[in-house]
Amino acid sequence: DQQVKQNSPSLSVQEGRISILNCDYTNSMFDYFLWYKKYPAEGPTFLISISSIKDKNEDGRFTVFLNKSAKHLSLHIVPSQPGDSAVYFCAASGAGAGGTSYGKLTFGQGTILTVHP
Amino acid sequence: ETGVTQSPTHLIKTRGQQVTLRCSSQSGHNTVSWYQQALGQGPQFIFQYYREEENGRGNFPPRFSGLQFPNYSSELNVNALELDDSALYLCASSPGTGFKKLFFGSGTQLSVL
Repeated sequence: DQQVKQNSPSLSVQEGRISILNCDYTNSMFDYFLWYKKYPAEGPTFLISISSIKDKNEDGRFTVFLNKSAKHLSLHIVPSQPGDSAVYFCAASGAGAGGTSYGKLTFGQGTILTVHP
Repeated sequence: ETGVTQSPTHLIKTRGQQVTLRCSSQSGHNTVSWYQQALGQGPQFIFQYYREEENGRGNFPPRFSGLQFPNYSSELNVNALELDDSALYLCASSPGTGFKKLFFGSGTQLSVL
């Protein structure tokens, strides 16, 4: 039962262009969503998050959009840089209902982003 | 401020053996969670420890067990290793059980032959 899905295993983008990474979820009890970035031989690093009371959160070049009715979120990176090349994981958590917990993150499978110079 | 540290970084075991992985939480963090990341998959929650007690468990069999010590460091023990246990094991810490953002270590890569 994959409650968080990232349907694109990989994405290739030219430097300076926009990268859009997508994520879908099925558990309606999730109310907090995070994006993590992972380089080889390193642990996941927190990138940006969004609460379900918002539909957008920005941090520099990174913006996360949340569409609750569609149970869909996306991460936009503008402009993309070669150093952004990494695996990006979408993760979700909730307040404790429906098997959720803020201390327990449910991750998607990840999307490998490659930004070409 | 020291981040989350895990040891060892790599480990090779044979089927049926037992393994212990170690994690030191980030300074000031009293909650530790363990995740298993199989190749090509996202991390999966194993369990969480708070105040030296298990505080939530994912869909993993009892041969996966853990400990948390008074200094908040933690161990993950896996008995009767199976080939499918080959994975990256990630430790994450946070300042409390309800804290929404987790801070991860670099992981221990376990290979079971």
